[in-house]
Formats: sequence, C-alpha cells, structure tokens
Amino acid sequence: GAVVSQHPSRVICKSGTSVKIECRSLDFQATTMFWYRQFPKQSLMLMATSNEGSKATYEQGVEKDKFLINHASLTLSTLTVTSAHPEDSSFYICSARDVYEQYFGPGTRLTVT
Amino acid sequence: GQQLNQSPQSMFIQEGEDVSMNCTSSSIFNTWLWYKQDPGEGPVLLIALYKAGELTSNGRLTAQFGITRKDSFLNISASIPSDVGIYFCAGQNTDKLIFGTGTRLQVFP
Repeated sequence: GAVVSQHPSRVICKSGTSVKIECRSLDFQATTMFWYRQFPKQSLMLMATSNEGSKATYEQGVEKDKFLINHASLTLSTLTVTSAHPEDSSFYICSARDVYEQYFGPGTRLTVT
Repeated sequence: GQQLNQSPQSMFIQEGEDVSMNCTSSSIFNTWLWYKQDPGEGPVLLIALYKAGELTSNGRLTAQFGITRKDSFLNISASIPSDVGIYFCAGQNTDKLIFGTGTRLQVFP
C-alpha cells in the first residue's frame, strides 16, 4: 500500500522557538495533504488542508500565522509551528490523499519545554 | 470542531471474545471509515463503507453503514492480543475526514 513518512518522529524544543515537521508521500503523488493534531487520549482533529502550489485552508480556530503550511510539491508538505508554547505540545499527524483514499503518516510527537 | 460519538469509550475483553462498537453522528455522511491506531502511530484504514445499508467484511472485522447514513458499527470476531489499540470511525463527505471520539480496546490472554 501507499506509504507516508514524517520527519522527525519526535522533537523537543524550547518555548519560543520554531519547529518544522515534514510529511512525504513515498510512492505516490498526493494531490492533497492534511495535517491533524491529537492530544493525549483524544481524537484526531483536522488542522488544515493543503493542495500543492496553493495556500492551505485552515479549520476554524487554527491560527494560520502560528501553524505555517507549505505544500511545495506533490510529495512534500511541511508544517512549521512558530513561536511554540507548551500548549502546542501534541502528536501531529499528516495524511496524503491519492485518487482512492487518505494514507496517514506515523506522526510526530512535539514536546515544548 | 465536529466529532462523531463512539461507544463504548473503552472495552476490556478476553482473547477469543467478540467485540462490537458503534459510531453515531447528527450529520449525514456519504462515506464511513473505520481506522485502528496503535500507540504512537498514525491510524490505519480497516474498512471503508460507501452505501447506506452496506455490510462489509475484512477478515475477522465486519462493519455496516447505517440506513440513515448517520451511524455505523464495527464488529471484531474472535479477538486476539494484536487487536489491542484505539478504533476510530470517520465520516466523510468531501475530502475532509471527521473522526469519532474513539474506542480503546484491551484484550487479555
């Protein structure tokens, strides 16, 4: 099946710094990529939808200036958490869509100290 | 954001038992999906349902798309230890997936 990778798998950063998370579709071209956030013992909440070469569409309540998304190619999307705070600590999961379905990455655990 | 309600919230069962969980929504969805998430991993698709009333199996898993398009259930027969994890339903109308609250399954040998 289709494979989606994320890098890094976990990252610890200091409050006030920025962190970039990469999402790649390894064996297919993804017309659309999605970014989700999952807090402990909770469900996945969609943050934004991105299409290659265009601006991301953010869900209500998600700050676009804080969570910068760049979908530079059909196989790569990046999420940058700017000026991170401890409340941004979470599990960030991307997914990539081909014609048939969404395939999820393994997630990135972000801890902000 | 919108979420689908899943029940039960958690289940503790013995290996070999059958499991049933369901998912309800106040909104209609055109597609229902069931995912399993292992700790520290992304969700993996188990079953996709595309038509109201559809009953689909995947090995020991069986899922049905409710007639009203507002609910779905997932059954697991003869549970095994590797069934442990969190099961999420998801509703889809466009590209977006709306996830359920999850059912945490624990299987004891």
